[in-house]
Amino acid sequence: GAVVSQHPSRVICKSGTSVKIECRSLDFQATTMFWYRQFPKKSLMLMATSNEGSKATYEQGVEKDKFLINHASLTLSTLTVTSAHPEDSSFYICSAPGQGQRTEAFFGQGTRLTVV
Amino acid sequence: GIQVEQSPPDLILQEGANSTLRCNFSDSVNNLQWFHQNPWGQLINLFYIPSGTKQNGRLSATTVATERYSLLYISSSQTTDSGVYFCAAHGSSNTGKLIFGQGTTLQVKP
Repeated sequence: GAVVSQHPSRVICKSGTSVKIECRSLDFQATTMFWYRQFPKKSLMLMATSNEGSKATYEQGVEKDKFLINHASLTLSTLTVTSAHPEDSSFYICSAPGQGQRTEAFFGQGTRLTVV
Repeated sequence: GIQVEQSPPDLILQEGANSTLRCNFSDSVNNLQWFHQNPWGQLINLFYIPSGTKQNGRLSATTVATERYSLLYISSSQTTDSGVYFCAAHGSSNTGKLIFGQGTTLQVKP
């Protein structure tokens, strides 16, 4: 199946700094990618849809200025958590949809962010 | 949008037992997937099953799209099967935007 690579897998940052998370489709092109957030012992919550060459579409309640998404190429989407606070600590994971008629989604390994 | 509900929320089994996890969804779907989330958080894709039945070793899944539910069967459970199982779906708009259920936490005891 298709491979989605996410980096870094784990990051610790200080409050007030910004952190960038990368999501790459390794063997296919993805005009659309999705970013999810997961709190401990909770389900995955869709944050936003990343669109290649245009602005991201954010889900209700997600701060656009806090979570900057850039989809610069057909194989790379980035999520930047700006001015991080401890409450931004979470597990972030990206996905890319399959190609053609098969609509299977492929997920990256996830990034565990800790803001201290 | 589509809503996805899973049951039971928690399940404790003895090693060797069989189990059935259920996923109900509120609308017709273009995609239904089952995942196992490992202790490191990675989602392991178990099945892509918008309809029909599939089997992979001790695991099998069935989706009855007309009745809006999917079942994941685990036979002869092992301690390594422990973890959280999610189903996720997206509706007929085919955006690729998956909506996740709340998950079933499975604990298999030796």
